Amino acid sequence: DGGITQSPKYLFRKEGQNVTLSCEQNLNHDAMYWYRQDPGQGLRLIYYSQIVNDFQKGDIAEGYSVSREKKESFPLTVTSAQKNPTAFYLCASSNHGQIGNTIYFGEGSWLTVV
Amino acid sequence: SQKIEQNSEALNIQEGKTATLTCNYTNYSPAYLQWYRQDPGRGPVFLLLIRENEKEKRKERLKVTFDTTLKQSLFHITASQPADSATYLCALGSNAGNMLTFGGGTRLMVKT
Repeated sequence: DGGITQSPKYLFRKEGQNVTLSCEQNLNHDAMYWYRQDPGQGLRLIYYSQIVNDFQKGDIAEGYSVSREKKESFPLTVTSAQKNPTAFYLCASSNHGQIGNTIYFGEGSWLTVV
Repeated sequence: SQKIEQNSEALNIQEGKTATLTCNYTNYSPAYLQWYRQDPGRGPVFLLLIRENEKEKRKERLKVTFDTTLKQSLFHITASQPADSATYLCALGSNAGNMLTFGGGTRLMVKT
């Protein structure tokens, strides 16, 4: 089945640790995105990539890093510089050339700092 | 700055009634607006898109209106069912950069 796979679903991070969230899509989409969602709040854009080997900061990029070495993969690293990383993280993709830019989301990853 | 407002309070309605959710925006001239459904602990799922030159769009029991003068979209679910209970997000997009900006979502609870 075509879709977006995020892993792990649940992740615990100790203070000072970097952790990486995986995101893979087999939809052949050019654009990929990472959003953060805090309880009861909307989605905030962390990073996005419209093409391989290129990515742009979103509204809340500080403390995060990404890479886009392959079209189907867009991993997100939550670094120790992110002071409040506990949240629900959503990876998404879209066909960049499509008018209206419908976004397809993965099932999300819960990150908790312990 | 751009601002998208959805009612943060949950909307509780009786099964069979029409649910109406509101999305208001300021400092924005979107080319299109989308509505997504999000179940707890899951990723949002696309429902409907409406363009700036369209007044209304329908899909089965769903209807979306878009008033660029009032800067408002209304999302209607007719003959609501308990299975419609979820959080509904609106998102606005412009043709420049093709990026979406999401509202905070409104939680809908349909009771029997």
